[in-house]
Amino acid sequence: EAGVAQSPRYKIIEKRQSVAFWCNPISGHATLYWYQQILGQGPKLLIQFQNNGVVDDSQLPKDRFSAERLKGVDSTLKIQPAKLEDSAVYLCASSFISNEQFFGPGTRLTVL
Amino acid sequence: GENVEQHPSTLSVQEGDSAVIKCTYSDSASNYFPWYKQELGKGPQLIIDIRSNVGEKKDQRIAVTLNKTAKHFSLHITETQPEDSAVYFCAASSLSGGYNKLIFGAGTRLAVHP
Repeated sequence: EAGVAQSPRYKIIEKRQSVAFWCNPISGHATLYWYQQILGQGPKLLIQFQNNGVVDDSQLPKDRFSAERLKGVDSTLKIQPAKLEDSAVYLCASSFISNEQFFGPGTRLTVL
Repeated sequence: GENVEQHPSTLSVQEGDSAVIKCTYSDSASNYFPWYKQELGKGPQLIIDIRSNVGEKKDQRIAVTLNKTAKHFSLHITETQPEDSAVYFCAASSLSGGYNKLIFGAGTRLAVHP
């Protein structure tokens, strides 16, 4: 079974630029999550989708972050404009029915 | 809000020794407690989980215990090996908007020395 795919794996941008991350969940997984993991901390949930609907985006900084999951499969997370404090690893995870979440390898973002 | 505290932040053991990592949670409604292992440059990988109707669960060298009254749970690794070296995260589920979400601890960096 293929795991959660993410791209790119690394991204370096200047502050105020925009960036987008892509995630392809495990086939058949209805729930998709985006997490932000700052160095030395645990993952923090940014947004959770159930199929193509948002069920929790309470921690998403909506003035600069946006996410979509068209057709209930792939998802993109965008930051515009980026700030220095957005430097982190962005993790995508998916789950089927149970709570068990499967994580992708993450995208490491560096904002200069 | 919901909170998960994890201790210690770093742990160094000799190969063959046991390692114990402890977590406490604040939401008494939490009913699912997974443990993840994260190696350098990789995403977290689920290694074991426990649900609130169970007090202990074991899988080979790994065991997890849960005390719902005290709101804490622990990860036990026996006969540690160098390949166990990684960052370990505990998490607790919390209900939000009708859906469960995971609240993670800050992580424990485990180093197993040969």
